[in-house]
Amino acid sequence: QQQVKQSPQSLIVQKGGISIINCAYENTAFDYFPWYQQFPGKGPALLIAIRPDVSEKKEGRFTISFNKSAKQFSLHIMDSQPGDSATYFCAASGAGGADGLTFGKGTHLIIQP
Amino acid sequence: ETGVTQSPTHLIKTRGQQVTLRCSSQSGHNTVSWYQQALGQGPQFIFQYYREEENGRGNFPPRFSGLQFPNYSSELNVNALELDDSALYLCASSPRAGTSGREQYFGPGTRLTVT
Repeated sequence: QQQVKQSPQSLIVQKGGISIINCAYENTAFDYFPWYQQFPGKGPALLIAIRPDVSEKKEGRFTISFNKSAKQFSLHIMDSQPGDSATYFCAASGAGGADGLTFGKGTHLIIQP
Repeated sequence: ETGVTQSPTHLIKTRGQQVTLRCSSQSGHNTVSWYQQALGQGPQFIFQYYREEENGRGNFPPRFSGLQFPNYSSELNVNALELDDSALYLCASSPRAGTSGREQYFGPGTRLTVT
């Protein structure tokens, strides 16, 4: 059972454009939603995270939008740059975090110069 | 501030053997989690250690076991290796207290190949 569904699987965006990656979750006990960026041969790096008491969080060019009623959240990368080309993962965890992070399958993002 | 480190970087083992992977958590972090990432997939949670005790486990069989030491470093042990155990094994540390307690910071991983 996949508890976090991520789309699209791959995405190509022109330099300067907006990259949008979507995730949907099923477990209503989830209350922490981070996004990770992973380059080939590296571990995932925490980009930004949100809790369900807010609908949007912005850090630099990265914004998370959160819709609790729809059980969906998305990552927007503004002014996308070639250096943003990587695999992005959404994740979720429940209260306390002892159950670990449940990850989506990832989105391979390519920013074309 | 030192980040999460893992050793070894790469490892090749034969089916049926046992393997031990090691992780040093980020300074100030007392919780360690382990994940398995198959090629082209998202990481899957194996287990979490806090105060040297396992306090959460994912859907992995008992042949996956771990330890956490007083300095918060950790080991992942896998017995009776199977071909499907070939993956990138990731360690993540997190602070326990306060609002930042849920943030997990990953190491570079250990690439395990089982032949």
